[in-house]
Amino acid sequence: QVQLVQSGAEVKKPGSSVRVSCKASGGTFSSYVISWVRQAPGQGLEWMGRIIPILGISNYAQKFQGRLTITADKSTSSAYMELSSLRSEDTAVYYCARELLAAAASVTTFFDYWGQGTLVTVSS
Amino acid sequence: EIVLTQSPGTLSLSPGERATLSCRASQSVSSSYLAWYQQKRGQAPRLLIYGASSRATGIPDRFRGSGSGTDFTLTISRLEPEDFAVYYCQQYGSSPTFGGGTKVEIK
Repeated sequence: QVQLVQSGAEVKKPGSSVRVSCKASGGTFSSYVISWVRQAPGQGLEWMGRIIPILGISNYAQKFQGRLTITADKSTSSAYMELSSLRSEDTAVYYCARELLAAAASVTTFFDYWGQGTLVTVSS
Repeated sequence: EIVLTQSPGTLSLSPGERATLSCRASQSVSSSYLAWYQQKRGQAPRLLIYGASSRATGIPDRFRGSGSGTDFTLTISRLEPEDFAVYYCQQYGSSPTFGGGTKVEIK
């Protein structure tokens, strides 16, 4: 059974950065893709980007280009999401989610396992 | 970017009734790369349907997905108390996007 466990809640000042971790267990990390999805309070889901750990390739939604960095550490089966230049609109619950790796790495798939979510609050 | 529009925004029904949720895409979703998720308050989303009509592991058969191209439907044949939640559709294949959600509430 795949399990994704995320780091705890964060409170950040505007203009700073936040790093959230996601540790995977069960399954084979090298066959995963890890995506990050966020949800602002009372709002819907927004895909931010993904990483293919076995290839070391990251892709980002255009909205987050230049501000988002997603990395992975295969030795610890962990993925990381770092968002910089934080503003109040970045206040949200951030989820990591697993995709199975498609035959073509650029093809995204559905999210079958999710982390528990990490609340990031941006406030002065 | 493919925009997904879900309707209605809120569905007020009683347990035992049938729920029909719609998801319309701004352009054709290739290979029926369309998924449905259920989200309860304070919880992460849960995968229900992928490939437009395939149920995820452990999902009861009262949940049925259908559709192709730009029009997709999630049907819950008989609502159980635990089915009252928010439902999201999502397209994948390229840059993933989600619909705005449909809340199924108790009438």
